Amino acid sequence: QSALTQARSVSGSPGQSVTISCTGSSTDVGAYNYVSWYQHHPGKAPKLMIYDVTQRPSGVPDRFSGSKSGKTASLTISGLQAEDEANYYCCSYAGSYTWVFGGGTKLTVL
Amino acid sequence: EVQLLESGGGLVQPGGSLRLSCAASGFTFNNYAMSWVRQAPGKGLEWVSAISGSGGTTYYADFVKGRFTISRDNSKSTLYLQMTSLRAEDTAVYSCARYPFKVVAKYYFDYWGQGSLVTVSS
Repeated sequence: QSALTQARSVSGSPGQSVTISCTGSSTDVGAYNYVSWYQHHPGKAPKLMIYDVTQRPSGVPDRFSGSKSGKTASLTISGLQAEDEANYYCCSYAGSYTWVFGGGTKLTVL
Repeated sequence: EVQLLESGGGLVQPGGSLRLSCAASGFTFNNYAMSWVRQAPGKGLEWVSAISGSGGTTYYADFVKGRFTISRDNSKSTLYLQMTSLRAEDTAVYSCARYPFKVVAKYYFDYWGQGSLVTVSS
């Protein structure tokens, strides 16, 4: 199973919006609406931000939103805040009880 | 508060074995399927294995099949990963993660631990 493709880094200024993309294949992102996104501050436990492509767990600010088109899923963060600076990973169900993650995108808040 | 705390990592020689543990608290452990996910140095996350809440069903990534065994002791609220025939490429931080339901299905991981570092080197 190949990893999902994410840009290594993205940046934005406070208050701006950024979008992180995650490209997979017809056997994972393109096949299922089971994409999730995780925020990871190094040294801490990853945190679920989006599940089932667009769903936000309770407690996650509505500044975070998810979408999908074909084989590409996206995480958009609007109204960037300093605490949003972290690594973000996408994940997709890949069939046969397996999951595949992206390589991660480092978000820098300028 | 849901807490997952991994332990058991360390330095092991190629071909060696190691058992990781993940102590869970803050929820009814046997009501949730669990998983192991790893992150090699400088790399992204990689799903390793999953187990149902009862422990009766297990799943593995191809690259660990036949070498790693996932198990759980619901009386101790603890998840395990027995790793054998370890290779240099198994070097990673291993984290346990919880599925939102008792069965393993097309789900996400709603809580994670911080991880335990496993280094395979001579």
